[in-house]
Amino acid sequence: GNSVTQMEGPVTLSEEAFLTINCTYTATGYPSLFWYVQYPGEGLQLLLKATKADDKGSNKGFEATYRKETTSFHLEKGSVQVSDSAVYFCALTGGTSYGKLTFGQGTILTVHP
Amino acid sequence: EPEVTQTPSHQVTQMGQEVILRCVPISNHLYFYWYRQILGQKVEFLVSFYNNEISEKSEIFDDQFSVERPDGSNFTLKIRSTKLEDSAMYFCASRPRGSLDNEQFFGPGTRLTVL
Repeated sequence: GNSVTQMEGPVTLSEEAFLTINCTYTATGYPSLFWYVQYPGEGLQLLLKATKADDKGSNKGFEATYRKETTSFHLEKGSVQVSDSAVYFCALTGGTSYGKLTFGQGTILTVHP
Repeated sequence: EPEVTQTPSHQVTQMGQEVILRCVPISNHLYFYWYRQILGQKVEFLVSFYNNEISEKSEIFDDQFSVERPDGSNFTLKIRSTKLEDSAMYFCASRPRGSLDNEQFFGPGTRLTVL
């Protein structure tokens, strides 16, 4: 079945530091890949997505590239802000037409001033 | 911008009691989902619903769980006899028909606490 593995967390950075959160996946067929973000006390918000190999998703300064050869979808941001502190979930859909999401375990990001 | 809403935001119940969690998906969406997140753990798929029937369910979604779309706007999750381990955040999500990238839109969640 489908699975998503995220880097072990939590991650603590200073403001303006470079961020990478690793995500690798196992899936049948050609999944769509997503990063969702969960701010404290809130629900899940879509951060970015990519639907085919070599696509780059981007939003709010975050980027991730769909790498089929390495089955990865790593999240990056060049300069993080305190407001980026949240939990980040890598996820995929694929294999069924009803589109259930399979999530990674989440990575807690804390950014200090 | 349309959004998915969920009520209540927090539900406290005694073990063995029935609870109903309510969701109002985005109005033109046709696929509906429930997920749960036990504190500190990953978000897990429970069930998907399309054309007034369950299209897929996980191992978690046993006979204690049921879903319903009673009136064309609400989408409910019922837990018949709650257990301590049902304590979690429950998220509803919806997706429009023909969405090529399967993007789902999530509600803010209902925190269920079973005592």
